[in-house]
Amino acid sequence: EIVLTQSPATLSLSPGERATLSCRASQSVDSYLAWYQQKPGQVPRLLIYDASSRATGIPARFSGSGSGTDFTLTISSLEPEDFAVYFCQQRSYWPLTFGGGTKVEIK
Amino acid sequence: QVQLVQSGGGVVQPGGSLRLSCAASGFTFSHYGMHWARQVPGKGLEWVAFIRFDGGDQYYADSVRGLFTISRDNSKNMLFLQMTSLTGADTAVFYCAKDMTPFGSGSSAGTYFDSWGQGTLVTVSS
Repeated sequence: EIVLTQSPATLSLSPGERATLSCRASQSVDSYLAWYQQKPGQVPRLLIYDASSRATGIPARFSGSGSGTDFTLTISSLEPEDFAVYFCQQRSYWPLTFGGGTKVEIK
Repeated sequence: QVQLVQSGGGVVQPGGSLRLSCAASGFTFSHYGMHWARQVPGKGLEWVAFIRFDGGDQYYADSVRGLFTISRDNSKNMLFLQMTSLTGADTAVFYCAKDMTPFGSGSSAGTYFDSWGQGTLVTVSS
């Protein structure tokens, strides 16, 4: 099973700041990685797929990069609605697996 | 727009069974694979099961293989998860989710989750 390790566990930032989230895979997943956002009491929302493609309706301030084992989600300038938990997910191998999540909180 | 409306959660005793349902609308259901995932409140996400667009293939997490069965009825736009021999470790919010790839099979059989149901809480407790 592919283990996805996200860091940091919590990121404390202010609105307008840049957020950089990391996801590391236990073995190469090529570019088959997605990022999701989940706000309290809400279902997850797909942000990025295939490492760097934005899903429909996702603002341009969200960007993804990486391949192989190291991936990054960048939020260029945090908006108030971006404070949430972010999960990565790989689809390169069964079983599909998720990372443990990074909470982006208001500093 | 895509809608996935779940039903069937609740409280069940250890060792019991439960069937979850997911009614799909707003897209051509028979063209897309479907997933079940779960989340212990306040914790991370766990993928549970996937069924191919035509029902021809199913995949399961090791933790549920042989205990849970995913199925679908394309004539009624419905997805199901039959769960048996439930334990406290199965207590979670269960989500149905649409795969983003139409007609996915082989290496593209299960990809990413682009729409989610509202979630249904399953509590296993005596």
